[in-house]
Amino acid sequence: GDSVTQMEGPVTLSEEAFLTINCTYTATGYPSLFWYVQYPGEGLQLLLKATKADDKGSNKGFEATYRKETTSFHLEKGSVQVSDSAVYFCALSEGGTSYGKLTFGQGTILTVHP
Amino acid sequence: DAGVTQSPTHLIKTRGQQVTLRCSPKSGHDTVSWYQQALGQGPQFIFQYYEEEERQRGNFPDRFSGHQFPNYSSELNVNALLLGDSALYLCASRDGTSSGNTIYFGEGSWLTVV
Repeated sequence: GDSVTQMEGPVTLSEEAFLTINCTYTATGYPSLFWYVQYPGEGLQLLLKATKADDKGSNKGFEATYRKETTSFHLEKGSVQVSDSAVYFCALSEGGTSYGKLTFGQGTILTVHP
Repeated sequence: DAGVTQSPTHLIKTRGQQVTLRCSPKSGHDTVSWYQQALGQGPQFIFQYYEEEERQRGNFPDRFSGHQFPNYSSELNVNALLLGDSALYLCASRDGTSSGNTIYFGEGSWLTVV
């Protein structure tokens, strides 16, 4: 079945540091890929998405590129802020009638210090 | 425009009891999914409802059941509660008329089983 593997956390960085959170996936078809963020006490928010190979999703300075050859969707940000402290989830969704069923990774806790 | 709303926010139940959680989708959304998020884990897909019917189901026992009403709101019912059912239950909605539409999450219902 489908699965998503994220780098283990937690990740602790200083403000303005470079961020990478690795994500690899296994899927039977050709999935869409997502990064969701969960701030303390809040629900999941879509951060960015990509629907086909070599697509780059971007939002709020975060980027991730859909790499079919390496089945990866790594999240990057050039300069993190304290306000980026949250839990980040990589997820996939197969197409067709399975669309809307998200398979999530285990999450990566990011803490950014001033 | 209200997003996905869930109730109750927190609740405590005793083993063996039954619980009902409620969800109102984002305006204009007709497809509702439920997820279980155990502490420190990524959300796990329970099931999805569209046009008042269960469309997809994850790997959860029959103790977990649901319903969708004509106004697209939804309920999640869990019978014979176990300690392991303690988790954050997330509702998600989307416009089911297009496979590319974004999935929005509510803030969740925290269930504690004692």
